[in-house]
Amino acid sequence: DIQMTQSPSSLSASVGDRVTIACRASQSVITYLNWYQQKPGKAPKLLLYSASSLQSGVPSRFSGSGSGTDFTLTIRSLQPEDLATYYCQQTYSTPLTFGGGTKVEIK
Amino acid sequence: QVQLQQSGPGLLKPSQTLSLTCVISGDSVSSNIAAWTWIRQSPSRGLEWLGRTFYRSEWYSDYAVSVTSRITISPDTSKNHFSLQLNSVTPDDTAVYYCARDQGEAFDIWGQGTLVTVSS
Repeated sequence: DIQMTQSPSSLSASVGDRVTIACRASQSVITYLNWYQQKPGKAPKLLLYSASSLQSGVPSRFSGSGSGTDFTLTIRSLQPEDLATYYCQQTYSTPLTFGGGTKVEIK
Repeated sequence: QVQLQQSGPGLLKPSQTLSLTCVISGDSVSSNIAAWTWIRQSPSRGLEWLGRTFYRSEWYSDYAVSVTSRITISPDTSKNHFSLQLNSVTPDDTAVYYCARDQGEAFDIWGQGTLVTVSS
């Protein structure tokens, strides 16, 4: 199984800050890497797919980069509604696996 | 737009069978593009992919090794839904269960989630 490791596990930032979340795969997933946002009590929501493609309707302040084993989710200017937990997920091979999540809090 | 609506009981006793259904609107369970998936989430396991069913000229299913001996994911084309059956549940199966559409790149549509608690 491909293990997905996210860092940090949590962070606190101010409105307007640039926020970066890292995701590392235990082996190359090329660019078969997705990012999700989950708010409390809700299902995860797809933000980015194929490492850097923005899902329809997602604000452009979210961006993704990386390939192989190392990926990054960036929130360009943090907004209050971005309070959530963010997960990476690989679709390179089954079982499809998720990272442990990064909880983003607003200072 | 595509929506997934889950239903099924939320409380089970150990050794019982977990059965959940996910009704699809706006797409077809027989789609040649999508895979219809079950995922669960618990504090101990995080988000865990359980398996999927999909149609590519014939029906296929594949499952996570951790549950492969106990799980069945099956389509119902007449009702346009798919179901999860997990046998012999234990308290370790307590989780929020989600159905989701996998469009080949990502899980782009999710059900609302069902909290399933296994307790005697």
